[in-house]
Amino acid sequence: QEQLVESGGDVVQPGRSLRLSCAVSGFTFSSYAMHWVRQAPGKGLEWVAAISKDGGRKSHTDSVKGRFTISRDNSENALYLQMNSLRPEDTAVYYCARDHSVVDITYYFASWGQGTLVTVSS
Amino acid sequence: DIQLTQSPSSVSASVGDRVTITCRASQDIRSWLAWYQQKPGKAPKLLMYVASSLQSGVPSRFSGSGSGTDFTLTISSLQPEDFATYYCQRANSFPYTFGQGTKLEIK
Repeated sequence: QEQLVESGGDVVQPGRSLRLSCAVSGFTFSSYAMHWVRQAPGKGLEWVAAISKDGGRKSHTDSVKGRFTISRDNSENALYLQMNSLRPEDTAVYYCARDHSVVDITYYFASWGQGTLVTVSS
Repeated sequence: DIQLTQSPSSVSASVGDRVTITCRASQDIRSWLAWYQQKPGKAPKLLMYVASSLQSGVPSRFSGSGSGTDFTLTISSLQPEDFATYYCQRANSFPYTFGQGTKLEIK
């Protein structure tokens, strides 16, 4: 059974940094691209970042570009999101998600973790 | 950026009803569309991808159709567990946006 477990969410002040982690089990992590998707309280879903299965290709949505960095460690079955210069508008539940295909990245999110809450407030 | 607009924003229906939710893209996205179901306090769940392909394990009462700019998600006979919020999402190009959501409530 696939499991994706996020951790690292916290309450932080604006301008500070945070690193989210996603521990994966139940599937071959190195065979899939991975994503981070977030959801502000009471709002809709927003794709944040993606990384190819070997980590060689990364993409970030414009609102986090230059501040957030997605990475992965295939030997540890772990996905990360380094979040710097945090802003109040980054407050959200952050989900890690597995891509749908083993062939190439599709940007369909087939399997999700339970999410971790990041609150940016002074 | 290409925008996705869902309608209605909310809908009330009864168990056994047939319900259709629409997603309209501001530009042609061919068939690069997914549908997700989200229940309160839970992660979203993939229902459909490439507009009309049913994700493994999803009941066959769910179906998707459309291409280009107009798409629909249909639930043929509502079950109690189907009351949730539904999102469409485009996968054709950066930045892979979602629709605003449609809340399906019990009448």
